[in-house]
Amino acid sequence: NAGVTQTPKFQVLKTGQSMTLQCAQDMNHEYMSWYRQDPGMGLRLIHYSVGAGITDQGEVPNGYNVSRSTTEDFPLRLLSAAPSQTSVYFCASRGGGAVDTQYFGPGTRLTVL
Amino acid sequence: GNSVTQMEGPVTLSEEAFLTINCTYTATGYPSLFWYVQYPGEGLQLLLKATKADDKGSNKGFEATYRKETTSFHLEKGSVQVSDSAVYFCALRTKTSYDKVIFGPGTSLSVIP
Repeated sequence: NAGVTQTPKFQVLKTGQSMTLQCAQDMNHEYMSWYRQDPGMGLRLIHYSVGAGITDQGEVPNGYNVSRSTTEDFPLRLLSAAPSQTSVYFCASRGGGAVDTQYFGPGTRLTVL
Repeated sequence: GNSVTQMEGPVTLSEEAFLTINCTYTATGYPSLFWYVQYPGEGLQLLLKATKADDKGSNKGFEATYRKETTSFHLEKGSVQVSDSAVYFCALRTKTSYDKVIFGPGTSLSVIP
């Protein structure tokens, strides 16, 4: 049972490049989310999913796309990276219903030059 | 809208000192309240939670009480250790949102021997 895994751990991109941050969970959780963490701003929700085939936008969705083709995987795509997307990205999952505990991955530190 | 406010950091304490980190919230209805902890280089971990007014969450010597009348959820520990050095996040989730956990900006705690 690996919990929530994220790859890569670190990434450097040039402005305009695209890439996909991977997230997987092996706990059969319905809900998965992507957050970005910036100094002094806590975590902000980018996109979330309540099950396979269902996604929705969070607070700061612009510049990011997601899909949820399986319960286990929830990749985050940067279409054309910008320096403002330099951040630490966390994926999280939790079970459905009244289960409140979110499990976080170890994070991906992204730098856009 | 929903929001979480935390005391500004960083907070520096000597070992065995008493810790209080203030957290207040604004939300419609009756949210669930959480404290998460982030150790250096790691993702967030749930520290404790409370789901209704007057509930007290506790874990690893930390406590927080859900105070609806003051919309607060202050984190306390009677005697901190060096190993408690981390960033602490207060968060809420409303009952009507799927997975929209709202985080505060975080409070960095350093405990010195």
